[in-house]
Amino acid sequence: DIQLTQSPSSLSASVGDRVTITCRASQSISTYLNWYQQKPGKAPNLLIYAASNLQSGVPARFTGSGSGTDFTLTISSLQPADFATYYCQQSYSTRYTFGQGTRLDIK
Amino acid sequence: EVQLVESGGGLVQPGGSLRLSCAASGFTLSSNWMHWVRQAPGKGLVWVSRINSDGSTTNYADSVKGRFTISRDNAKNTLYLQMNSLRAEDTAVYFCARDVRDYGDYDRFDPWGQGTLVTVSS
Repeated sequence: DIQLTQSPSSLSASVGDRVTITCRASQSISTYLNWYQQKPGKAPNLLIYAASNLQSGVPARFTGSGSGTDFTLTISSLQPADFATYYCQQSYSTRYTFGQGTRLDIK
Repeated sequence: EVQLVESGGGLVQPGGSLRLSCAASGFTLSSNWMHWVRQAPGKGLVWVSRINSDGSTTNYADSVKGRFTISRDNAKNTLYLQMNSLRAEDTAVYFCARDVRDYGDYDRFDPWGQGTLVTVSS
């Protein structure tokens, strides 16, 4: 199975900060990479698909980039609603896998 | 509004069985592949199974293959997960999710249901 490794595993930041989360795949997955946000006790919510496409209704401060094995999710100016856990997911293989998650909390 | 609502979770003894349901509204279930994803307490997301639009094709994670069966009733707009021979390590919140593939062959999971908790314990 394709392994996805996110870094960092946790991150403390302040409102207004620019934050970048990285996802590295164990093999090339082209741009078959999605990003989800999950808040405690809630379902995951799709943010970015196909590495760089913003899901409808998601604020433009979220951007995704990358291809091959290295991907990033950037939040340009953190808002209070953004403190959550973020997961990357590959859809290159139908043995879908997720990264271990990056917990983003308030400094 | 597109919505998925899971039900059927609960406490079950090791070796027991449980059937989860996922009721879809706001869209026609028969148009989409569907997935089950689980999340053990305090842990990350793990894909469990998927089924194609007419139910003729199914895939499973190795950890559940031979024990879990995914199915669907498009007439009832409902997805199912039959779970047999349950183990303590199957304890998790189980989410259903719609597969969306409207951008080439890229698929994504959207939306997700709110999840239903399955606890396997004696």
